[in-house]
Amino acid sequence: AQSVAQPEDQVNVAEGNPLTVKCTYSVSGNPYLFWYVQYPNRGLQFLLKYITGDNLVKGSYGFEAEFNKSQTSFHLKKPSALVSDSALYFCAQAMDSNYQLIWGAGTKLIIKP
Amino acid sequence: DGGITQSPKYLFRKEGQNVTLSCEQNLNHDAMYWYRQDPGQGLRLIYYSQIVNDFQKGDIAEGYSVSREKKESFPLTVTSAQKNPTAFYLCASSTRASLDTQYFGPGTRLTVL
Repeated sequence: AQSVAQPEDQVNVAEGNPLTVKCTYSVSGNPYLFWYVQYPNRGLQFLLKYITGDNLVKGSYGFEAEFNKSQTSFHLKKPSALVSDSALYFCAQAMDSNYQLIWGAGTKLIIKP
Repeated sequence: DGGITQSPKYLFRKEGQNVTLSCEQNLNHDAMYWYRQDPGQGLRLIYYSQIVNDFQKGDIAEGYSVSREKKESFPLTVTSAQKNPTAFYLCASSTRASLDTQYFGPGTRLTVL
C-alpha cells in the first residue's frame, strides 16, 4: 500500500538558520508529490509540487523541496527560517488511479527567535 | 484559502443529531473533497466527487453522507451514526486533472456536546 512518512513530529529551528522538514514517499506509487502548510485553525495552503523535471522545486514563501528518487525522499527546505514559518507542514503523494492524495501525518515546525 | 468557503466555522452538535457542513467554491473546479483532521494525524478522506451528481466513498465514509447537486457545492452531513464526530473538517477542490493541486477551505470545527 502506498504511504507517506514524515518521520519527525516536530522540528525546532532558530530564526535565520536553514530548515529541513523530511518526507519519504511510497516507491509503489507515482512520485507526484506535494507540500502544504497549515496555520492554527486554518485550512491548508499549497506550497509546491513535484510532477516531473528538475529535482529542485521552488515554491511559495521562499520554500523549496528536493526530489531524490534513490532515497524516495521529498524534503522541504528553506535557507533562512522566519518566526512566521512556524506551522504544521504536510507532505502528500498522488495515487495512481484516482484523484486521491495520500497524506503524511504532519510535522510541526517551530521557529524560535 | 482561495475561492472556497466553509460554514459555519464552529459547530456544536448534541448526541443523536445530524448536522450539515457547507462547502462552496467559485473556482469552477469539477472535483471536490471532504477530509477529517484529528490531532496528531494526517488528513483522512471522507468522500470525494469528481463531477456533479457523482461521488465516491473515501477511507472513513461511515457515518457521513454527501450530495453534489451543483458544481460549486458539496455539503457534508455528519449523521448520528458517526460515533466520534468531534474533529476539524476540511473541504477542498481541484480540476479534474489527477495531478492538479487541491485548494482548501478554512475548515469547520465540530464539537459534540
